[in-house]
Amino acid sequence: EAQVTQNPRYLITVTGKKLTVTCSQNMNHEYMSWYRQDPGLGLRQIYYSMNVEVTDKGDVPEGYKVSRKEKRNFPLILESPSPNQTSLYFCASSSGPLAGIYNEQFFGPGTRLTVL
Amino acid sequence: GQQVMQIPQYQHVQEGEDFTTYCNSSTTLSNIQWYKQRPGGHPVFLIQLVKSGEVKKQKRLTFQFGEAKKNSSLHITATQTTDVGTYFCAGPINYQLIWGAGTKLIIKP
Repeated sequence: EAQVTQNPRYLITVTGKKLTVTCSQNMNHEYMSWYRQDPGLGLRQIYYSMNVEVTDKGDVPEGYKVSRKEKRNFPLILESPSPNQTSLYFCASSSGPLAGIYNEQFFGPGTRLTVL
Repeated sequence: GQQVMQIPQYQHVQEGEDFTTYCNSSTTLSNIQWYKQRPGGHPVFLIQLVKSGEVKKQKRLTFQFGEAKKNSSLHITATQTTDVGTYFCAGPINYQLIWGAGTKLIIKP
């Protein structure tokens, strides 16, 4: 089954304790991205990756790191989490883009993070 | 900065009434996508519009892309309880997909 998986689904942690949220897709997609979703703000892109070893900042990259060593995996790292990073996080993947056309984004189920 | 504005933020309707959400971009878009997010779920792709003036229908849903490719709308005819959720538009600007803030469709009890 074609899917994007994220782990963990829920996480409660304390300020400053490094954490990693994993994301994996089995569709051989080139494009992967991380979003955070906060009430009234929609989806805001944190980082995106056009392909292996190619990553770039989105709208809200401060406090986050990513890596893309393999095509299928795109982990999100919070080196020193703070309470303002409490949010719902989504990983997404898609084929392309090609000639500026972005294809259907497939989303993971989400990770609800609480930083105390 | 460049952005995609979406209105309204919420729309309360009686079951059977129509629903419309609008997206406006500050820049011309090569394409625009629409997604639906059910309560507690993740966004799910509905459709993509690419051509200027394009209109596409999916049963009771009608999607339009403006002539200038800067605005788009989603119209639902005769809403049902299964339509409840938040509808998002998203368009590529400078290699990023920029998302509208979403319109939440609420069915009045």
